[in-house]
Amino acid sequence: NAGVTQTPKFQVLKTGQSMTLQCAQDMNHEYMSWYRQDPGMGLRLIHYSVGAGITDQGEVPNGYNVSRSTTEDFPLRLLSAAPSQTSVYFCASSYSTWVSGNGYTFGSGTRLTVV
Amino acid sequence: EDQVTQSPEALRLQEGESSSLNCSYTVSGLRGLFWYRQDPGKGPEFLFTLYSAGEEKEKERLKATLTKKESFLHITAPKPEDSATYLCAVQPQGGSEKLVFGKGMKLTVNP
Repeated sequence: NAGVTQTPKFQVLKTGQSMTLQCAQDMNHEYMSWYRQDPGMGLRLIHYSVGAGITDQGEVPNGYNVSRSTTEDFPLRLLSAAPSQTSVYFCASSYSTWVSGNGYTFGSGTRLTVV
Repeated sequence: EDQVTQSPEALRLQEGESSSLNCSYTVSGLRGLFWYRQDPGKGPEFLFTLYSAGEEKEKERLKATLTKKESFLHITAPKPEDSATYLCAVQPQGGSEKLVFGKGMKLTVNP
């Protein structure tokens, strides 16, 4: 098992550009989510999905879109990048924290810089 | 509003010097409390889940405990390899898998 795979690991964008951060998991997890991590802010939830075809907004969804066409993949789209979106982005998945008690499995992150 | 506060923000210990990290939380109903470890440049790594007050979990030099208002991560005789940022998160009641994270606590263990 590869776990949660995020690509790319690093990215530099110009203001106004769009891009997609990829996230894939091979554990058949139903729940997937995107967090951003900023210094002094902790992890903040952007969007999440409880299964294929179902997505919902988290704490900081503005400027981001998601879709979940398969169980395995949960891409995050930046529509028009802004310097405020400079951050480290983590994708996480879980089968069910209540049933398994194992919490989330996180990817290794994408470090995004918007100039 | 669900909230998690970790203290201290940073802690320096000498190898072998035991200590505790605090995670206090405010949540309408607690489904579970989670501890993670995060190394620089990596994603958080799951350590423990606690569900009810009085529960304790142990793993090597780490022991997590839970009360109705806070959780402690006790580190016994730490080693330099225990240096990392430790994250606490709560899962509110409501049927969702969402977690609310604290800001983290950076632990440095000097040899």
